[in-house]
Amino acid sequence: AQKITQTQPGMFVQEKEAVTLDCTYDTSDQSYGLFWYKQPSSGEMIFLIYQGSYDEQNATEGRYSLNFQKARKSANLVISASQLGDSAMYFCAMREPSGGYQKVTFGTGTKLQVIP
Amino acid sequence: DVKVTQSSRYLVKRTGEKVFLECVQDMDHENMFWYRQDPGLGLRLIYFSYDVKMKEKGDIPEGYSVSREKKERFSLILESASTNQTSMYLCASKPRGGSGGYTFGSGTRLTVV
Repeated sequence: AQKITQTQPGMFVQEKEAVTLDCTYDTSDQSYGLFWYKQPSSGEMIFLIYQGSYDEQNATEGRYSLNFQKARKSANLVISASQLGDSAMYFCAMREPSGGYQKVTFGTGTKLQVIP
Repeated sequence: DVKVTQSSRYLVKRTGEKVFLECVQDMDHENMFWYRQDPGLGLRLIYFSYDVKMKEKGDIPEGYSVSREKKERFSLILESASTNQTSMYLCASKPRGGSGGYTFGSGTRLTVV
């Protein structure tokens, strides 16, 4: 089974609108962390936001917020007021214990295109 | 500005060649990672290291090895490059402990012909 599932290979959003990128995860651990990264065309992965499994409040970082629904095992990224510079690949990732270490698994990504 | 630097942005090598991909970080991070990224597959972990001279296999270590002789440098080695190793390779680092994300390098796009 996939650890991280991103079902939207590509999405379009109008500039200044909000957009939600979906992410579901699968783990039997109680302690885990969820991340979102942005990868512009330049190739560098940029860390956006983090949510711990025990955090009761949804994480927010500027225009980014993580809609964490633990019972549904979903961790959707919400980008408010989209900008042209938000056009990029977005990856959801999960960190969980594995063999004495912390292992991070990435999803397959969603390509977001912001339309003027 | 903290950085993870990958020595080459683009690399073209011939089948059978020994290939070294270098990664250096200036943040004194204990943990370093090598991923490969392929369309539709996301990022897959090749090897990681939690300390100097220490290495652990990730999900797809076959055909690769690594070296970590100094804390700041983590090298990925393709002993005998093959065309199916054509990919984008990403290095990342993270301090021990804490809940923050990784810091990634800009990636090396390797083509094996």
